[in-house]
Amino acid sequence: KNQVEQSPQSLIILEGKNCTLQCNYTVSPFSNLRWYKQDTGRGPVSLTIMTFSENTKSNGRYTATLDADTKQSSLHITASQLSDSASYICVVRSGAGSYQLTFGKGTKLSVIP
Amino acid sequence: EAQVTQNPRYLITVTGKKLTVTCSQNMNHEYMSWYRQDPGLGLRQIYYSMNVEVTDKGDVPEGYKVSRKEKRNFPLILESPSPNQTSLYFCASTATGGAWWSYNEQFFGPGTRLTVL
Repeated sequence: KNQVEQSPQSLIILEGKNCTLQCNYTVSPFSNLRWYKQDTGRGPVSLTIMTFSENTKSNGRYTATLDADTKQSSLHITASQLSDSASYICVVRSGAGSYQLTFGKGTKLSVIP
Repeated sequence: EAQVTQNPRYLITVTGKKLTVTCSQNMNHEYMSWYRQDPGLGLRQIYYSMNVEVTDKGDVPEGYKVSRKEKRNFPLILESPSPNQTSLYFCASTATGGAWWSYNEQFFGPGTRLTVL
């Protein structure tokens, strides 16, 4: 069964600090991996999408890495801001010719002053 | 502006009273999907549609119906809502063209918070 596991479940950090969120998956065949940011009560918004041939991708202060061999991804947030407080969801697309997504349960990040 | 819209955004209803949540996208996307999100469970897919008149069950379809008569619209129907359908619902759409590994970003609507008493 395809699964996406995220850790930690929740995280509290001080404003200005860096943090790294983890995503492990057992989705096969692998197509691509996405990280979404979801503010409380709002729809998820895409941060990055990486295919099997990409190892790292940045979007401002967000940098995602992908190791397709170990089936692991991480999302690194640099110089955190209060507005980074949100849930971060890892999503893996599988299948050749289909469009099947497997969602992680998310990591809830709280950035405090 | 490219977007997915949902209506209503908030709804409180009673058990058994049929309701419809509308979803519309203006990006000419083929693929549309409904999700529910509950605390500790993450996003779970209810139904999806690969194109007009093509729909299929997701992971939690019980108690829901959908239809796809037009490409832009994908309403979610609860024929007889029950309290366990109290949740936050999201509609999403995606283009499906290109290679199987293509990015095909998924765009989410703003959400509908449903409470069934």
